[in-house]
Amino acid sequence: KQEVTQIPAALSVPEGENLVLNCSFTDSAIYNLQWFRQDPGKGLTSLLLIQSSQREQTSGRLNASLDKSSGRSTLYIAASQPGDSATYLCAVGISSGSARQLTFGSGTQLTVLP
Amino acid sequence: EAQVTQNPRYLITVTGKKLTVTCSQNMNHEYMSWYRQDPGLGLRQIYYSMNVEVTDKGDVPEGYKVSRKEKRNFPLILESPSPNQTSLYFCASSQGGARGHEQYFGPGTRLTVT
Repeated sequence: KQEVTQIPAALSVPEGENLVLNCSFTDSAIYNLQWFRQDPGKGLTSLLLIQSSQREQTSGRLNASLDKSSGRSTLYIAASQPGDSATYLCAVGISSGSARQLTFGSGTQLTVLP
Repeated sequence: EAQVTQNPRYLITVTGKKLTVTCSQNMNHEYMSWYRQDPGLGLRQIYYSMNVEVTDKGDVPEGYKVSRKEKRNFPLILESPSPNQTSLYFCASSQGGARGHEQYFGPGTRLTVT
């Protein structure tokens, strides 16, 4: 069964720092990996989607990488801002026949201090 | 505006009283799913649907029912809610097909069963 782990569970950094969030998964047979942001009491906002054939995706100050063989993904946030404070979740897409499912990590709670 | 909507956003009910949480998307997506989010357990998939009249169990389907009579709607039904179903529920949708597509999430429904 696919397991997704995110380390650290919580992270606090001063404004302006570059930071890396980690995601690891146990089964490399994935078809994509998606990073989400969740603000308190709100839904999930998709940040980046990496297909299994891709190595990385970039959007603004965010860069996500994927190494399927080692079962790892990282989310790099450049020049962090207080507005980046949120919980960041990674989810791997797995397929079984015609079925497709997302398995989520438990998230990293990020606080960017002004 | 492309979105996934859920109703109600907050619900407090008593054990055994049947309830339905509605989910609707306006993006003509084939794939829809329901998740629950609990502290320490993360997001877990309850049910998913590949298309109209096609539904299947996720990781935690016990105590829930779903139906997909129309492409845009995917209601979650709790026939006899119990306190262990107190949770934050999310509906999600994405395009169908073999290629993994970005999932879009609704704002969440916070359910309390007393």
